[in-house]
Order: sequence, then structure tokens, then C-alpha cells
Amino acid sequence: AQTVTQSQPEMSVQEAETVTLSCTYDTSESDYYLFWYKQPPSRQMILVIRQEAYKQQNATENRFSVNFQKAAKSFSLKISDSQLGDAAMYFCAYRIPGGGGADGLTFGKGTHLIIQP
Amino acid sequence: KAGVTQTPRYLIKTRGQQVTLSCSPISGHRSVSWYQQTPGQGLQFLFEYFSETQRNKGNFPGRFSGRQFSNSRSEMNVSTLELGDSALYLCASSLGRASPSYEQYFGPGTRLTVT
Repeated sequence: AQTVTQSQPEMSVQEAETVTLSCTYDTSESDYYLFWYKQPPSRQMILVIRQEAYKQQNATENRFSVNFQKAAKSFSLKISDSQLGDAAMYFCAYRIPGGGGADGLTFGKGTHLIIQP
Repeated sequence: KAGVTQTPRYLIKTRGQQVTLSCSPISGHRSVSWYQQTPGQGLQFLFEYFSETQRNKGNFPGRFSGRQFSNSRSEMNVSTLELGDSALYLCASSLGRASPSYEQYFGPGTRLTVT
């Protein structure tokens, strides 16, 4: 079974600084997708960024970027110029494509990100 | 375009009762997935529907069931409620297999409390 591990239960960063959230995963699949989701206190889960395993180029979305290391099965999220609105739980998630055994999204336990003003 | 909607937002039930939660996906999305979120177990996949068919199912007892209608709206049902079923139930929609990255968009959730 696939597992996703987020080793940092909580992280704190000063506003305007850069922070990196870690995620590792375990899989025997070669084709899969990785995601970072953000869940603010309002509870609405928001997709932050996605990465296709077959793409070597790291995904970026404005201030958010990932460092995808396929061989190391690592998928970290970097948030640049942190803003107060970035405060939330961040979940790393994994999914294999197609049906026939796919288990939806497999989530890590989450990292609580605190932004210090 | 309206997002994923879930009703009701909050629900209090008694042990032994049953409950039905509803989810309306984003217009045009044909896949609906359900997740249970608890402080102890985190986010766990319940099941996924596509074109009215259950495609995948997580490791939950048979008390948890669901269905999808022809308009892609989905319901999940939990029978014989237990205290441990207290959780936030999240619904997520996606285009389904038309979306190569299988991006899922989540609703606000239904907070179920079992007393």
C-alpha cells in the first residue's frame, strides 16, 4: 500500500520569509500524481499545486513551488514570501491514475504552518 | 462556476441511527470522491464514483455506502452510527478520466457528531 509521510507536524515562519514543507512517499508505481493541498481554519481544502511523476520539471504556481525527487520519493513544497493568509494545514497527497485498484487520494498527516507577523 | 457543495454542513445524530450526506460536484465534473477526516486517523478515502458506478472503495465497513445519480450528484449513507463515526466528511469532485492529472476539488465538508 502507498504511504505518504509528512515528518513536520508544525512549522513556523516569519512573514515574508521562505519555508519548505517536507513530504516523502512510498510506492512501487512508476506513474502517479502528487499534490499539495491547503486547509485553512475555515476547513475548505484547496489545491495548491500538482506534479506528474513523468515530468522532470518541478511545478510552480506563483509563490509556491515543489522540489520533486523521484528516485528519493520526495516531494517538498516551498512557499516564498510567506503571507498571513498562508497559515493553514498543508497536506501532501498521492494518487495513481486509472481505476482497478486506485485508492483515491492518499494523504499525509499534514503540517500545521504558522505565519508569524 | 460554483464550487462543490455539501449539505448539510453540520449534523448531530445518536448512536444507532443512520445518516445521509449529499454532495453536488462542480458543473461538468463526473467523478465524486468521499473522504473521512478525523484528528486521529487523518484523511481517509471512503469511495469514488464515476458515471453512477462505484470505481474504488477504501477500507471502511459495509455500514458506509454511497451512490451517484445521473446528474453526478452523490450521496453517502452511514447506517448504525457509532461514536467513532464522528468526523468531517469531505466530498471532492473531478472531471474524472478526462482530467489527466485527476485533480480533485473539495467541498466545505459535513461535520457529523454522533452522541
